[in-house]
Amino acid sequence: EPEVTQTPSHQVTQMGQEVILRCVPISNHLYFYWYRQILGQKVEFLVSFYNNEISEKSEIFDDQFSVERPDGSNFTLKIRSTKLEDSAMYFCASSERSGPWEQFFGPGTRLTVL
Amino acid sequence: RKEVEQDPGPFNVPEGATVAFNCTYSNSASQSFFWYRQDCRKEPKLLMSVYSSGNEDGRFTAQLNRASQYISLLIRDSKLSDSATYLCVVGLSSGSARQLTFGSGTQLTVLP
Repeated sequence: EPEVTQTPSHQVTQMGQEVILRCVPISNHLYFYWYRQILGQKVEFLVSFYNNEISEKSEIFDDQFSVERPDGSNFTLKIRSTKLEDSAMYFCASSERSGPWEQFFGPGTRLTVL
Repeated sequence: RKEVEQDPGPFNVPEGATVAFNCTYSNSASQSFFWYRQDCRKEPKLLMSVYSSGNEDGRFTAQLNRASQYISLLIRDSKLSDSATYLCVVGLSSGSARQLTFGSGTQLTVLP
C-alpha cells in the first residue's frame, strides 16, 4: 500500500538554526500539506501546496517558513531561524486531485529546538 | 467558540462495550468530514469519511447532521486495539486549497 514517508524521524537543532524537513508524498497525489502538532495539543494546518505553488497558509506559516517541491517526488518544509516554540511534530500529508479530499499522513518528524 | 469541538474524555470502557463520540463544528461552509484515529506519538490515520446519509464500516458507524453541525462516531463491540485518540476533522475548500481543521481529540481506552 502506498504511503507518505518523512525524513528525518527526529531532528534536534539549536535555536536560530535552519532546518529542512523532507517528505515523499504518495506518487499519484497532487495536493500536499504540512501540519504540526505541539506535544499535548491538536493538529494544526500550516500550508497547502498544489501545482507548484502555495494554495493556502495559516497564521502560523509566517516568513520563517517556506515550502518547496524541488523535484518530482520530494516536498520540503524549511524553517529559516528556529525558535523554541517551533518544537513540535511536523506531519506531511497528501491527497488525490479529485475525491472527498481524504488526506493521508506521513509518520512525522519530531523537531526539538534547544 | 472552537472551530471543531470534541469531548476530551478520557473514555475508559470494557471490551465489548459500545462507545459514542460527539463533535460539533462552527463553520457552516465546511464541506467534508472525517474521523481519524491517532495512536500515541503517531500520525493521524484516516478511519472513515462521514456523509450526510450516514455510513458504516464494520463496527464503526458515522453520522453527520449538517443542520445542527454535528458529527458522531459509534464503535460497537470495542476491542483492545481500538484504544487511541479519535479526532474529528472538518475539511474546507477555498479554491484549490483543502484545509483540514482538527478537533482536540477524544481519548479512548478499552480495558480487558
